[in-house]
Amino acid sequence: SAVISQKPSRDICQRGTSLTIQCQVDSQVTMMFWYRQQPGQSLTLIATANQGSEATYESGFVIDKFPISRPNLTFSTLTVSNMSPEDSSIYLCSVEDQDGTYEQYFGPGTRLTVT
Amino acid sequence: DAKTTQPPSMDCAEGRAANLPCNHSTISGNEYVYWYRQIHSQGPQYIIHGLKNNETNEMASLIITEDRKSSTLILPHATLRDTAVYYCIVRGSARQLTFGSGTQLTVLP
Repeated sequence: SAVISQKPSRDICQRGTSLTIQCQVDSQVTMMFWYRQQPGQSLTLIATANQGSEATYESGFVIDKFPISRPNLTFSTLTVSNMSPEDSSIYLCSVEDQDGTYEQYFGPGTRLTVT
Repeated sequence: DAKTTQPPSMDCAEGRAANLPCNHSTISGNEYVYWYRQIHSQGPQYIIHGLKNNETNEMASLIITEDRKSSTLILPHATLRDTAVYYCIVRGSARQLTFGSGTQLTVLP
């Protein structure tokens, strides 16, 4: 299974600013996913990020608000732009196993609080 | 992907088997049943998945009914560390996971 790390683990930010979250995987993976978990809620997919192509965003999420980079097969970033208190959530990245089982492994998450 | 229905919460005594049900009556033939759990403040953890046969691994067993409209995740000897939200997910050709509200399992001492 893949080991995933995220930076920062948590942050408190002022409204109107932006935060970039990093996701690092210990092996090369094709598909990476970014999820948001609002307080007390389940996970919602933001976008799918494949290396070498533009990220695919889910309904309700746009590139201007959540730009994603995927420069190589082990790394991705998600930026939360022009933040408001409603963006306070846990942001998680996940990767799909490369052994054909399509299992997904999740990072520990980034807890973001916007004041 | 098919929608799933789970009870919002369940309790289980430590050392006993925890049986978590999931209804997925609209599942189609090529869709798998996946189970994940999320311990408080951590990322979700993969538990097990299956298509139509019962499956067992070191963490749990998955029992899928013959008509595939429901399944049960069994933790054979629940411990306090199994307290978590358990998600039942039906997954077809889409590579992403669609999380429902899950079941909060509380293992009681």
